[in-house]
Amino acid sequence: DAKTTQPNSMESNEEEPVHLPCNHSTISGTDYIHWYRQLPSQGPEYVIHGLTSNVNNRMASLAIAEDRKSSTLILHRATLRDAAVYYCIRREGNDMRFGAGTRLTVKP
Amino acid sequence: KAGVTQTPRYLIKTRGQQVTLSCSPISGHRSVSWYQQTPGQGLQFLFEYFSETQRNKGNFPGRFSGRQFSNSRSEMNVSTLELGDSALYLCASSLSGTSSYNEQFFGPGTRLTVL
Repeated sequence: DAKTTQPNSMESNEEEPVHLPCNHSTISGTDYIHWYRQLPSQGPEYVIHGLTSNVNNRMASLAIAEDRKSSTLILHRATLRDAAVYYCIRREGNDMRFGAGTRLTVKP
Repeated sequence: KAGVTQTPRYLIKTRGQQVTLSCSPISGHRSVSWYQQTPGQGLQFLFEYFSETQRNKGNFPGRFSGRQFSNSRSEMNVSTLELGDSALYLCASSLSGTSSYNEQFFGPGTRLTVL
């Protein structure tokens, strides 16, 4: 049970922003939201995580809804190297349950 | 700092055999988790080890087992291989075992093919 819901696929144009949504309506107060991505032929890699407030790092931004039932991963300017499967994970301790993720296609 | 390493990278076995996969975590990391990835089921959590103890287990049959050594290196074993065990097996390490915000670092995986 992944406990998160994401669209199966999304498309973006290169150098445009991308907003990847995630629903986690049954989240509890201590669960963190983590995002990982998996590029072709590689293991997943960490993107960003957050608990309540919005977070930014060099890769992306994470916007968490006030009720914490949903979040959005924002890639500010998509590049061809951002084409990957993006996983939103509701994390309880070290328990990481991956869902099917969103396959992001970036068009030149 | 070296990343997570997994050996071997590729493996071909036949049904009924058993296999052992190895994972060396990042230096200083004490938690190691294992995942199975298949096209049909996606990424599925197998188990997690911390300080040589299994702390968490996914929904897999007892043919799948693992262990962790005092240097944090981990092995997983699959006995009586079935065709459906063909998959990419991923290992991930993190600093500690209990924090919800610790980042997990994944290795490149071992591609197991069962014929």
